[in-house]
Amino acid sequence: EVQLVESGGGLVQPGGSLRLSCAASGIIFSNSDMNWVLQAPGEGPECVSGVSWNGSRTHSADSVMGQFIISRDNSRNTLYLHMNSLRAEDTAIYYCAKGGDDGQNYFNYWGQGTLVTVSS
Amino acid sequence: DIVMTQSPDSLAVSLGERATINCKSSQSVLYTSNNKNYLAWYQQKPGQPPKLLIYWASTRESGVPDRFSGSGSGTDFTLTVSSLQAEDVAVYYCQQYYDTPGFGPGTKVDIK
Repeated sequence: EVQLVESGGGLVQPGGSLRLSCAASGIIFSNSDMNWVLQAPGEGPECVSGVSWNGSRTHSADSVMGQFIISRDNSRNTLYLHMNSLRAEDTAIYYCAKGGDDGQNYFNYWGQGTLVTVSS
Repeated sequence: DIVMTQSPDSLAVSLGERATINCKSSQSVLYTSNNKNYLAWYQQKPGQPPKLLIYWASTRESGVPDRFSGSGSGTDFTLTVSSLQAEDVAVYYCQQYYDTPGFGPGTKVDIK
């Protein structure tokens, strides 16, 4: 059974930082492109960052470029999102999502998400 | 960036009837070299993450009931639920992966 388990969310003050983690099991993590997708309250999903299976390629939405950094540790089957200079508008559920088995950027497995709340 | 739009915003359909959701992209998501449309559909129920239903515009994900089907090409796409069941009440999103992945705003489906 595929499991993607996010952690690291919580309440943070504006300007603060967080590191989200996603522990994967039931997949060959080192062969899988991985992504972070956020969903703000009442809104649709937004893919904020992705990383190729070996970490050689990353992409980020313009809205978080230079603010969020995606990384992975294939030896630990874990995906990370380093979030800096957080703003109220970054408040959302952050999902870890696996890219398609054919290497394309649709998302065939999702975690349950971790809630990030940016507020003073 | 490719902008995705969906219509309607919401719809209510009687049990057993057909539900049709439309999705439009601001530019074509058809890659002519392989003749594939880089378009996926998801279902999201309250309190759950989105679930992949369809990719390549019309390929059903494993385990998805065959009452769900996708069609269309280029910039105009449709998700059809041929016979709506109670468990299909959800918000449905289209997503393009031709470029940096982007989702539509969603269509809420309820029972009439």
